[in-house]
Amino acid sequence: GAGVSQSPRYKVAKRGQDVALRCDPISGHVSLFWYQQALGQGPEFLTYFQNEAQLDKSGLPSDRFFAERPEGSVSTLKIQRTQQEDSAVYLCASSLVGIGWRLRLNTEAFFGQGTRLTVV
Amino acid sequence: QQQVKQSPQSLIVQKGGISIINCAYENTAFDYFPWYQQFPGKGPALLIAIRPDVSEKKEGRFTISFNKSAKQFSLHIMDSQPGDSATYFCAASIEVGETSGSRLTFGEGTQLTVNP
Repeated sequence: GAGVSQSPRYKVAKRGQDVALRCDPISGHVSLFWYQQALGQGPEFLTYFQNEAQLDKSGLPSDRFFAERPEGSVSTLKIQRTQQEDSAVYLCASSLVGIGWRLRLNTEAFFGQGTRLTVV
Repeated sequence: QQQVKQSPQSLIVQKGGISIINCAYENTAFDYFPWYQQFPGKGPALLIAIRPDVSEKKEGRFTISFNKSAKQFSLHIMDSQPGDSATYFCAASIEVGETSGSRLTFGEGTQLTVNP
């Protein structure tokens, strides 16, 4: 498919377990974002990559959260020692443009379907 | 700190009616204001977006009204249809000159139900 693909769609983890969530962005998209969406809330920014560089990780809630995008395409969000408060839908989004665009181009972000993480 | 506030939390309208959702923002550096539509089990999808150099943008049945001085913007859905039933999120970002990507700040969401 041509869209953003996330896997797994659902993940149940026992408290204290480590999890890894995968995002396949749209081919050629420079920017990649991770968002966390709690039940009944709007998505909240976690981190941003331009190609393989993680330029903003200010939204990561703790040092248990780690993200990487080693080759500038697929990204993985890893959560260590999961806690119940980590239960949420994790959304990945990609967009064509990166930083340095001074023109008012369409910077539409395309979202994946998300991974619903439940920590029990 | 909630930088984008959205209301109402839920909205019920009859088929053919007008749905209106409002948002207010705090950061005057925001220069891109999209609305996203989200169906259950799906990711948000861009519906319509506006930049602050215009006061209104219309695409089909969807219109954004933007009031820069009041730091408010709203989504109007004309001739609402049952298929429009979804959760709507307003958002804002800094697009031009941003050095760390156009990260979106979302509102809390409005659950719209259009009755047949």
